[in-house]
Amino acid sequence: QQQVKQSPQSLIVQKGGISIINCAYENTAFDYFPWYQQFPGKGPALLIAIRPDVSEKKEGRFTISFNKSAKQFSLHIMDSQPGDSATYFCAASMGASYDKVIFGPGTSLSVIP
Amino acid sequence: NAGVMQNPRHLVRRRGQEARLRCSPMKGHSHVYWYRQLPEEGLKFMVYLQKENIIDESGMPKERFSAEFPKEGPSILRIQQVVRGDSAAYFCASSPPYSSYGYTFGSGTRLTVV
Repeated sequence: QQQVKQSPQSLIVQKGGISIINCAYENTAFDYFPWYQQFPGKGPALLIAIRPDVSEKKEGRFTISFNKSAKQFSLHIMDSQPGDSATYFCAASMGASYDKVIFGPGTSLSVIP
Repeated sequence: NAGVMQNPRHLVRRRGQEARLRCSPMKGHSHVYWYRQLPEEGLKFMVYLQKENIIDESGMPKERFSAEFPKEGPSILRIQQVVRGDSAAYFCASSPPYSSYGYTFGSGTRLTVV
């Protein structure tokens, strides 16, 4: 019930291409879905987040698509750049209350020139 | 506005020693969460604390691990009698009252047990 699934485990994309990472959840009480980006040796940093009252949120080259009925959400990185190479974690929580954030297992993205 | 501060950044302990990891939350944040990240793995929730209270410790190993967040000072994650399997990166996150929006992580403490 508390699990967040994420795929693929690793992803290689050419520079300028689109990177797509998919996640799924089970707990319908989740109401906050952040994505975190982590570079080697660093802590995870909040990238973008969405709440289930919208189906899409875009910030620059990063877009979250959210499908509430399917309990799925995805991150799209447009015009991927080598500097985007990092590990990406999707996550979920009951954001409006005291609760921990549950993380997916992560996707290692490599953007090659 | 300093972020979440964790220290030390790197910690080396011999098997059987104690490890103490410290975390100071962001200003205005009153909730602290500890996560463990093993090499090539995701972030595993360990414990959630408010000042002087443990709210959720469902992810904490039953033995050797403890956490506190005193009224004054940083949150402490304590690992007694460390073993090689405790080698990992330990991250602390903090959030404002009443919400996990704005969940912010520190840079982590990398524990190596030799």
